[in-house]
Amino acid sequence: KNQVEQSPQSLIILEGKNCTLQCNYTVSPFSNLRWYKQDTGRGPVSLTIMTFSENTKSNGRYTATLDADTKQSSLHITASQLSDSASYICVVSAGGAQKLVFGQGTRLTINP
Amino acid sequence: NAGVMQNPRHLVRRRGQEARLRCSPMKGHSHVYWYRQLPEEGLKFMVYLQKENIIDESGMPKERFSAEFPKEGPSILRIQQVVRGDSAAYFCASSGQGSTDTQYFGPGTRLTVL
Repeated sequence: KNQVEQSPQSLIILEGKNCTLQCNYTVSPFSNLRWYKQDTGRGPVSLTIMTFSENTKSNGRYTATLDADTKQSSLHITASQLSDSASYICVVSAGGAQKLVFGQGTRLTINP
Repeated sequence: NAGVMQNPRHLVRRRGQEARLRCSPMKGHSHVYWYRQLPEEGLKFMVYLQKENIIDESGMPKERFSAEFPKEGPSILRIQQVVRGDSAAYFCASSGQGSTDTQYFGPGTRLTVL
């Protein structure tokens, strides 16, 4: 069964600190892995997308890594800001855009 | 270039009524996807459409739910005879080329069934 599991479920850190969110997946076939940011009451917004051959990809203060052998990905956020408070969703494509498998998300709260 | 638009943003229906959710994809996009997000859960794929065609509806409940994407106008997700369990956020996404192209999400419609 195709599944994406994220940890932790929720995380609270102080503004300016770094954090790392984890994603484990059992999705086959594997096409690509994306991280989305979803603000409360809004739709998800794409942060990064990685294919099988990519190990890391950055988007500003966000850096995603992918280990296709262990089927793990992480999203590292540096120098967190209050606006980073949101849910971060790991999404794996099982071949084709219509075969996206979503994780439950990590709820990140940045406190001043 | 406007993003994906959904309306209404909030919809309240009584049990047994019909709900119609509309989605206008980004300009130039011809692929539309509908997802449902139950409280405290991740998004779940429902249906994938191109203009006038349903490509994949494997995530749609067998009864009461239908979707269309006509040649002109927005995509419509229709839920007949709503029940309390239909209460959820329904998100629409669009992409230009399908396949590995990035999907852009709308703000969602929050359906509450009383």
